[in-house]
Amino acid sequence: EVQLVESGGGVGQPGGSLRLSCSASGFIFSSYNMNWVRQAPGKGLEWVSYIASSGDSIYYADSVKGRFTISRDNAKNSLYLQMNSLRDEDTAVYYCARVLSQDPGDKDFQHWGQGTLVSVSS
Amino acid sequence: DIQMTQSPSSLSASVGDTVTITCRASQSIRIFLNWYQQKSGTAPKLLIRVASSLQSGVPSRFSGSGSGTDFTLTISGLQPEDFATYYCQQSYSTPITFGQGTRLEIK
Repeated sequence: EVQLVESGGGVGQPGGSLRLSCSASGFIFSSYNMNWVRQAPGKGLEWVSYIASSGDSIYYADSVKGRFTISRDNAKNSLYLQMNSLRDEDTAVYYCARVLSQDPGDKDFQHWGQGTLVSVSS
Repeated sequence: DIQMTQSPSSLSASVGDTVTITCRASQSIRIFLNWYQQKSGTAPKLLIRVASSLQSGVPSRFSGSGSGTDFTLTISGLQPEDFATYYCQQSYSTPITFGQGTRLEIK
């Protein structure tokens, strides 16, 4: 069974940093592209970042570009999101999401973690 | 960036009704359109991919159609467990974008 478990959320100060982790199990992690998707309280879904299975291709939403860094450690079956220069508008539940297939172009989010809440507040 | 616009934003219906949610893309995305269902406090669930392909385990009362810029999600014979929020998502290009969501409520 595919499992994705996020951790690392909490309260961060404006201008501060947090690092989110997503631990994966139940599948060959190194074969799948991964993503972070967030949802502000009471709001809709916003894609944040993508990383290819090998880590050689990375994309970001404009809203986080230059502040957030996605990475992965295939040996540890883990996905990360380093969040720097936090802003109030980064407050959200952050989900890691695995795509459906091993197709390099797959952008269908088949598996999701339970999410981790990030609150940016002074 | 491709903008995704859903309508309506909210919808009230009764068990047994048939409802349709629409999603419009700001440019052609061919058939690269997915639909998700999200229940309160839980992660989204992929229902339909590439406009009309029902995911395994999703009841056949859900169906999707469309291509280019206009898409629809239809739920035929609403069941109590279908009351949730639905999102469309374009998988045509990066940045990946979602519609703003349609909240389906019990009348």
